[in-house]
Amino acid sequence: EPEVTQTPSHQVTQMGQEVILRCVPISNHLYFYWYRQILGQKVEFLVSFYNNEISEKSEIFDDQFSVERPDGSNFTLKIRSTKLEDSAMYFCASRGDRRGEKLFFGSGTQLSVL
Amino acid sequence: ELKVEQNPLFLSMQEGKNYTIYCNYSTTSDRLYWYRQDPGKSLESLFVLLSNGAVKQEGRLMASLDTKARLSTLHITAAVHDLSATYFCAVQRSQGNLIFGKGTKLSVKP
Repeated sequence: EPEVTQTPSHQVTQMGQEVILRCVPISNHLYFYWYRQILGQKVEFLVSFYNNEISEKSEIFDDQFSVERPDGSNFTLKIRSTKLEDSAMYFCASRGDRRGEKLFFGSGTQLSVL
Repeated sequence: ELKVEQNPLFLSMQEGKNYTIYCNYSTTSDRLYWYRQDPGKSLESLFVLLSNGAVKQEGRLMASLDTKARLSTLHITAAVHDLSATYFCAVQRSQGNLIFGKGTKLSVKP
């Protein structure tokens, strides 16, 4: 079965540093998402991306966050100046455009901000 | 604002017993998902329920959707230890993104 791949699986950074989380969605998918999950808590929506632009973002997705699809295969999440509270598991997800298609999640990047 | 509530949040079961997890949501949606998550792992899609009255079954798990009541259930039949995990329901908004419940942590004991 095709899968969404994310790199790195773990990222440790110092507060104030920039991080880029990378994702390769399933190749024929058109909708891309980032979600995050703070340890032991629920999964929270960050941003959705379609047709090379953000289609929706949550209040968590402030000016410190940005997304990009630089080359038609990768989908990246950048956090410009990390804060302690950004520590979480970040999941990338993608889906096709047929009704009822599942949202496929990647294995996640565990971000630890020290 | 769409809210999704699951209950119970914690569930300890004996092997062989049956139980139901409930998922209520606050605004109209006709697409509901159930995911399983093992500790430290990603989200595994279990079911996508698309319409009122939809029922899907896989193994010991059966999910149903009542859009009029804004309620979905995940029924576990004759639980086994391998089902121990956290189960999330998620409701799709019109824009396509999912709003998740807090999850139900299921522990099946021998």
